[in-house]
Amino acid sequence: KAGVTQTPRYLIKTRGQQVTLSCSPISGHRSVSWYQQTPGQGLQFLFEYFSETQRNKGNFPGRFSGRQFSNSRSEMNVSTLELGDSALYLCASSYGTGLARGTEAFFGQGTRLTVV
Amino acid sequence: QQQVKQSPQSLIVQKGGISIINCAYENTAFDYFPWYQQFPGKGPALLIAIRPDVSEKKEGRFTISFNKSAKQFSLHIMDSQPGDSATYFCAASEGGKSTFGDGTTLTVKP
Repeated sequence: KAGVTQTPRYLIKTRGQQVTLSCSPISGHRSVSWYQQTPGQGLQFLFEYFSETQRNKGNFPGRFSGRQFSNSRSEMNVSTLELGDSALYLCASSYGTGLARGTEAFFGQGTRLTVV
Repeated sequence: QQQVKQSPQSLIVQKGGISIINCAYENTAFDYFPWYQQFPGKGPALLIAIRPDVSEKKEGRFTISFNKSAKQFSLHIMDSQPGDSATYFCAASEGGKSTFGDGTTLTVKP
């Protein structure tokens, strides 16, 4: 059974550009959550999607957006990149309606974004 | 405002010893408390989780102790092994939204 796949693994972008990250959940999983991980701020919740609908959103500016497709694959977009957006972006998939609803969540290996 | 406080930031334990990591939370609406283990270059992996109606949960060498009145929970790793060396995160969740602690880097010396 394939795990959560995130692409690309590494990305270097220039300030002001935009970026799209992709997450393919485990087959059969309908919930995808996104997190930003940085040494200074730890793991911070970005948003959660279930059946193509955004169910929850963290405290990030509107430059961070996402969507989920009918096959449960999800994309995250960051526009007008800032140096502080450099981080490891993780997605997690689960069968149930969210990471916190008692269903085991599986994380991908993340996309390491560097903004220069 | 940090809703989940984790301590210590780093921990060094001898092989065979007990590793203890503590977390405290403020929001009484949290209803799910998982612990994650993360190795370098990997995403976090769910280790063990507990709900607030249970005071303790054990899975192999890993035990969560939960104190609802004190709003604290802890992870105990018995017979710690060098392979347990990793970063551990506690989390608290409410309605599909998770808040993580800052992580504890555990080093188990052989």
